[in-house]
Amino acid sequence: EADIYQTPRYLVIGTGKKITLECSQTMGHDKMYWYQQDPGMELHLIHYSYGVNSTEKGDLSSESTVSRIRTEHFPLTLESARPSHTSQYLCASRALGGNTQYFGPGTRLTVL
Amino acid sequence: AQSVTQLDSHVSVSEGTPVLLRCNYSSSYSPSLFWYVQHPNKGLQLLLKYTSAATLVKGINGFEAEFKKSETSFHLTKPSAHMSDAAEYFCVVSEGSNNDMRFGAGTRLTVKP
Repeated sequence: EADIYQTPRYLVIGTGKKITLECSQTMGHDKMYWYQQDPGMELHLIHYSYGVNSTEKGDLSSESTVSRIRTEHFPLTLESARPSHTSQYLCASRALGGNTQYFGPGTRLTVL
Repeated sequence: AQSVTQLDSHVSVSEGTPVLLRCNYSSSYSPSLFWYVQHPNKGLQLLLKYTSAATLVKGINGFEAEFKKSETSFHLTKPSAHMSDAAEYFCVVSEGSNNDMRFGAGTRLTVKP
């Protein structure tokens, strides 16, 4: 079982609210990722990080932002949520030099 | 650039019968290939991976996959389906120094009693 955690697991909020999705891992992995997944669809990479103070945008454009102040923590923030942000958000990590990503349980976000 | 095609969006089998989930990939280099499983409202769990060792890879829960370079395929199989196998399965290719992953669109496996 991978030691990567996401909170909250489910979130229903109104339009315009600021939200932060938390992701933490205790494996000491340098690389961390955020994916967005719509129901029945593939995963799309929206952000990744090579380590502390490193953040990069992924393949899918996203209005969210991320930060990496500590190795184990990679939060994702939406400044003003909209219904189009309704989706599942999956966090993952892997060791530098490793080739396997380990996934958290995901946060299912619904914006009304 | 690498890419993955999962040939079936939905596969339905009866309990106790074989499972075949098909995956084709394209890659410029020697790829690593993975199968992940996602149960409802859960994250992705690694089933198995191929990283240039034995071409027949055995994973958890009785699943296995065979890397066929000539066919650019990495199909997932299981001899006998169990009800608990019902889930979404993702084929993934990774290559290059960054080892960044490309995910297939997923195959939903339904297991009938």
